[in-house]
Amino acid sequence: KNEVEQSPQNLTAQEGEFITINCSYSVGISALHWLQQHPGGGIVSLFMLSSGKKKHGRLIATINIQEKHSSLHITASHPRDSAVYICRSRLTFGEGTQLTVNP
Amino acid sequence: GAGVSQTPSNKVTEKGKYVELRCDPISGHTALYWYRQSLGQGPEFLIYFQGTGAADDSGLPNDRFFAVRPEGSVSTLKIQRTERGDSAVYLCASSLMGGVGDEQFFGPGTRLTVL
Repeated sequence: KNEVEQSPQNLTAQEGEFITINCSYSVGISALHWLQQHPGGGIVSLFMLSSGKKKHGRLIATINIQEKHSSLHITASHPRDSAVYICRSRLTFGEGTQLTVNP
Repeated sequence: GAGVSQTPSNKVTEKGKYVELRCDPISGHTALYWYRQSLGQGPEFLIYFQGTGAADDSGLPNDRFFAVRPEGSVSTLKIQRTERGDSAVYLCASSLMGGVGDEQFFGPGTRLTVL
C-alpha cells in the first residue's frame, strides 16, 4: 500500500516569506500531484510531476523519484496563498498542510 | 465549460437512514472517483469507475456503501443504514482517461451530516 506523508501539518508565515511543504511516498510512482484546497472544500490541481521541477508563477514543485520525495515551494508568499496544500500519489492523498500567511 | 457538479451540497440525515449522493462528471471524462474527507484530513479513496464498471472499489469501508455509474456518466454513491461516523464531505472527481498522470477535476463536495 502506498503511504503518502506530508510535513508540516500546519505552517504559519508572514507575507513575503519563502514557503516549503514536503511530501514523501513509500511506493515507486510515475507521477505525483500537488493540489490546493480552499475553505469550503474546492480542490484545484496545481502540478503533476513525473521528474525534475515545474514552475507556475510563484509556485515551484520539485520531485526526486529515487528518494520518493517532492516539495512544493511558494516564493514571496501572500495572504491569498492561505489554503490547504495536498499531495496525491494515484489514489492516495497526504493529510494536507494548512498554510496561513499573515499580512 | 461546466465542471464536476455534485448534489446535494449539504445533506443532513438521521442515523439508520438511506442516502444517495450524486455526481455529474465533466462531459467525456471516462474515469470517475469518489473520495471521503473528514475534517482536518486529506481525501480518502472510496471507489473508481472506468466507464460503467468499478475498476477499484477497495476503498469502500463496508457493504453499506455502494456506487453505480450505469451509463458511464453520472454516478450515485449510496449509503445504507447511515451511522454518525459516516459524517464527512464526499468528493467526486473525474479525469479524461483515468491514467496515473491524469489531472483529476474535483466537484465541490457533498457535506453529509448524520445525526
